[in-house]
Amino acid sequence: KAGVTQTPRYLIKTRGQQVTLSCSPISGHRSVSWYQQTPGQGLQFLFEYFSETQRNKGNFPGRFSGRQFSNSRSEMNVSTLELGDSALYLCASSLSVPGTGELFFGEGSRLTVL
Amino acid sequence: GESVGLHLPTLSVQEGDNSIINCAYSNSASDYFIWYKQESGKGPQFIIDIRSNMDKRQGQRVTVLLNKTVKHLSLQIAATQPGDSAVYFCAENPPDSNYQLIWGAGTKLIIKP
Repeated sequence: KAGVTQTPRYLIKTRGQQVTLSCSPISGHRSVSWYQQTPGQGLQFLFEYFSETQRNKGNFPGRFSGRQFSNSRSEMNVSTLELGDSALYLCASSLSVPGTGELFFGEGSRLTVL
Repeated sequence: GESVGLHLPTLSVQEGDNSIINCAYSNSASDYFIWYKQESGKGPQFIIDIRSNMDKRQGQRVTVLLNKTVKHLSLQIAATQPGDSAVYFCAENPPDSNYQLIWGAGTKLIIKP
């Protein structure tokens, strides 16, 4: 059974640009969550989608957005990139609601903003 | 707001010894707790979880203890191996979080040969 796949794995952008990250969940999983991880920090929740609907959103500015498609694949977008957006962006999928069972994480997309 | 904290950011343990990683949580109404392991360059991986109606749960070489009186969670790893080197995160599920886990900052476990 294939795991959670995130693309691209690494990318470098400059300030002001925008970026789109992709996440393919485990087959059959309908919930996809996104997290930002910076050095020395825990996982900061961005948003969670279930059946194409955003059910929950963390405390990030509107430059961070996401969506989920009918096949459960999800994308997140960051516009007008800032240096502080440099981080590892993790996607996790689960069968149902995230807080009641195991989350399956991808290996992340490492974004560097110059 | 609620937060999950860890007592030690780094823990060094001799190979073969037992490791104990601690975690404090702030919401006494949290009903679900989970531990994840993150190896370098990889995403977090589930280790073990526990619900608030239990005080202990065992897995393969791991045990999670929950003390609701002092709002404390611990992960015990028996006979620590080099492959246990990683950052360990605890997370809690407060009842008013819309099922969104609240994550701790993590503890880095270093195994000494």
